[in-house]
Amino acid sequence: ETGVTQSPTHLIKTRGQQVTLRCSSQSGHNTVSWYQQALGQGPQFIFQYYREEENGRGNFPPRFSGLQFPNYSSELNVNALELDDSALYLCASSGGSQRYNEQFFGPGTRLTVL
Amino acid sequence: QKEVEQNSGPLSVPEGAIASLNCTYSDRGSQSFFWYRQYSGKSPELIMSIYSNGDKEDGRFTAQLNKASQYVSLLIRDSQPSDSATYLCAVNKDWGAQKLVFGQGTRLTINP
Repeated sequence: ETGVTQSPTHLIKTRGQQVTLRCSSQSGHNTVSWYQQALGQGPQFIFQYYREEENGRGNFPPRFSGLQFPNYSSELNVNALELDDSALYLCASSGGSQRYNEQFFGPGTRLTVL
Repeated sequence: QKEVEQNSGPLSVPEGAIASLNCTYSDRGSQSFFWYRQYSGKSPELIMSIYSNGDKEDGRFTAQLNKASQYVSLLIRDSQPSDSATYLCAVNKDWGAQKLVFGQGTRLTINP
């Protein structure tokens, strides 16, 4: 069974730039959720994709957007980067036939905005 | 009031003792509850899920849920230095969207 993978591992951008983060879900999972984790805090829900449609969104501005592809992999796009966007971005997959409500996280992408 | 609250710690426990981690949540309609372990610099790892009132045991871990008191806890028996990590409590309010709301985490240190 292949786990959740994310790329890149680390990324450094400057304020105002755009970034795309990628996630491959665990085999057998059809749902991908994205979270932002600031240092010393718990993860915060950004949005979730199920069968290529957005299925719930947290309190994040529209410059945070996403996609899910037919193979259930997903992208998180952030436009007009701000310093406060510096965080660990986590992708979680779920929706397998067993334990469908449980979310399993990938290793994360550490984004630094200068 | 935060939706999910945890004592940030640090909580220090001697090796071999029982570590007790607590979490309260504000939404009475919450459906499912999870404990994640996060080592420094790593991503969260799911260690327990619980959906019904009572206790659920898995190896050295026991999750306890009391929906009337809006309280969920995690007990770690025979604590080991490798259990030193931040423990995150997460609550899912909606079966459909599976949106997890996390507490800020409790930092646990097991002293040899």
